[in-house]
Formats: sequence, structure tokens, C-alpha cells
Amino acid sequence: AQSVTQPDIHITVSEGASLELRCNYSYGATPYLFWYVQSPGQGLQLLLKYFSGDTLVQGIKGFEAEFKRSQSSFNLRKPSVHWSDAAEYFCAVGPYSGNTPLVFGKGTRLSVIA
Amino acid sequence: EAGVTQFPSHSVIEKGQTVTLRCDPISGHDNLYWYRRVMGKEIKFLLHFVKESKQDESGMPNNRFLAERTGGTYSTLKVQPAELEDSGVYFCASSQDPRTSGLYNEQFFGPGTRLTVL
Repeated sequence: AQSVTQPDIHITVSEGASLELRCNYSYGATPYLFWYVQSPGQGLQLLLKYFSGDTLVQGIKGFEAEFKRSQSSFNLRKPSVHWSDAAEYFCAVGPYSGNTPLVFGKGTRLSVIA
Repeated sequence: EAGVTQFPSHSVIEKGQTVTLRCDPISGHDNLYWYRRVMGKEIKFLLHFVKESKQDESGMPNNRFLAERTGGTYSTLKVQPAELEDSGVYFCASSQDPRTSGLYNEQFFGPGTRLTVL
């Protein structure tokens, strides 16, 4: 069965520090991979997605993620965190089919301190 | 263009009462999804509409949950009677038909409805 693991429930980083949020997936075929962010009071916003091709994917707000097939990972990174990045981050996987639902991880809450 | 909207944003009800959640997808999006996040757990799929038809309702937890999408526009999710374990955040998402815009369509999410059952 498809599954997504985000091992870190809560991470705190200092503003300006680098960030890496971990995501591992279990899927029988080549997956589509996504990172979503939910800020307080907001819906889930797509940060970036990986379908195929270059394994380093650039997203919005300065985020990037790297797909590593050998490790079944799709970790999210940002070189310098801003206070406005404090939010909850969700990794998700979707199969190669246009309308099927997403499978999400449990999310990682990011706190940013001065 | 307006995004996916959900109403209400919060609902607090007593166990045994009925609650109806509403989702308005992005105009023109044939696909509509309901997901739920119970506290501390992952966001889980409930069901998927294509226009007014239920394409997949494998994630619906039990028959206390009833989803409709009359006319293929907005959707409602009714919980009757509500139980304590129904508490959580209910998300709605919509996407276009991939036949018109590509193999995969991004699902656009609404802000969610936070349901608390006391």
C-alpha cells in the first residue's frame, strides 16, 4: 500500500538558518511527489511537485526538493528560512493517473525563532 | 479567480447532532475531493466526485457520512449523527479534467472546516 512518512513532527529553526524536511514514501511504481504548506487559517498550498526528469525540483517561496529513488525520499530544503515560513508542511504521493487522490504524510510543523 | 471555498470555517456540535459542510470548487473543475485530517494523523482521502457522480468513495469511514454534489457544482458533506471521533479538519480540493489540460492536474485545496464534536 502507498504510504508517506514524515519522521519529524515538529522542527524549530532560527531565522536565516537552512532547513531540510524529510519525506520517505512507499509506492510500487514511479510516483508523483508533492510538498504542500498550510499556514494558519489557510488552505493547503502546493510548494512544488516532481513528475519526472530532473530530480532537483524548484518550487515557490525559495523551496526546493530532491527526489532520490534509491532512498525513496523527497526531502524539502530551503537555504535561508524566513519567519513567514512558519507553517505545517505536508509531503504527498500520487500515482500516474490523472484524477486519483493523494496520499499524505502526517505533516511537519515548522517554527521559526529570531 | 476565486479559489476553493469551504463553509463553515469552524463548527462545534454535540455528539449525536448533525452537521453539514459545504465546498465550492473552482469554477469549471469537474473533479472534487474530500479529505479529512484527524488531530495528529495524516490527511486522508474520503471521496472523489467527477461532476455529480461519485467516482471513488472508498475512504468514507461509515454510513454516517453522506456526500452529495448536485448539478456538479458545490458539494456537501453531512455527518449524521456526529460522533467524537469525527472531530478533525475537513478539506475539499478540486481539479480540472486531465483530458483538457494534461495528464495530471493539480488539486487546489480549500482552507478546511474544523469540526469539533463534544
